[in-house]
Amino acid sequence: DTGVSQNPRHKITKRGQNVTFRCDPISEHNRLYWYRQTLGQGPEFLTYFQNEAQLEKSRLLSDRFSAERPKGSFSTLEIQRTEQGDSAMYLCASSLVSPGQATNTEAFFGQGTRLTVV
Amino acid sequence: GDSVTQMEGPVTLSEEAFLTINCTYTATGYPSLFWYVQYPGEGLQLLLKATKADDKGSNKGFEATYRKETTSFHLEKGSVQVSDSAVYFCALSPYNFNKFYFGSGTKLNVKP
Repeated sequence: DTGVSQNPRHKITKRGQNVTFRCDPISEHNRLYWYRQTLGQGPEFLTYFQNEAQLEKSRLLSDRFSAERPKGSFSTLEIQRTEQGDSAMYLCASSLVSPGQATNTEAFFGQGTRLTVV
Repeated sequence: GDSVTQMEGPVTLSEEAFLTINCTYTATGYPSLFWYVQYPGEGLQLLLKATKADDKGSNKGFEATYRKETTSFHLEKGSVQVSDSAVYFCALSPYNFNKFYFGSGTKLNVKP
């Protein structure tokens, strides 16, 4: 396992089109996160999954955004009716959290999918 | 709410200079603190972490100490190299929550 994999690496789309990104986490990791990063800013939390359950969504995640993690393995992030403001780097991360774990664990990040909406 | 503030860049240093990148945080409870690094064209990589007050994280010559009294986690390196040129992000994760809040990043340029 070489780490968190994201596809595609780059996506250019016309405004109004739908796009879908895929994230394959490290195989034994039970948590998966989606972040968005715009130029000159740090990553902003979008949502996270514990296995297949989506446990939290940020207010940044409008109704046009939906994420899934069927079977608790890979995850997809779909953006419907894209807008120019959606242009950003979308980052996926994963971590392993053991039951009853009281301290935080590190998250491993993928290289991201850069979305450009024209 | 929880947040991280780090010094704005870019920071430009000559090789072998001393590096400090300031980071302060606001959080309830006892968060874990992290420094991530992003090299050009690559994803975020964990550089070091500290999970409780007075812990010192270290890696590749970089160090940061978790200071609860000043709510800080400043990154230091005694002698930077050109290969350290990257963007550095300070982050926190709330206790038992495992969501990460990132600062805006500090770009470091090291000149030979």
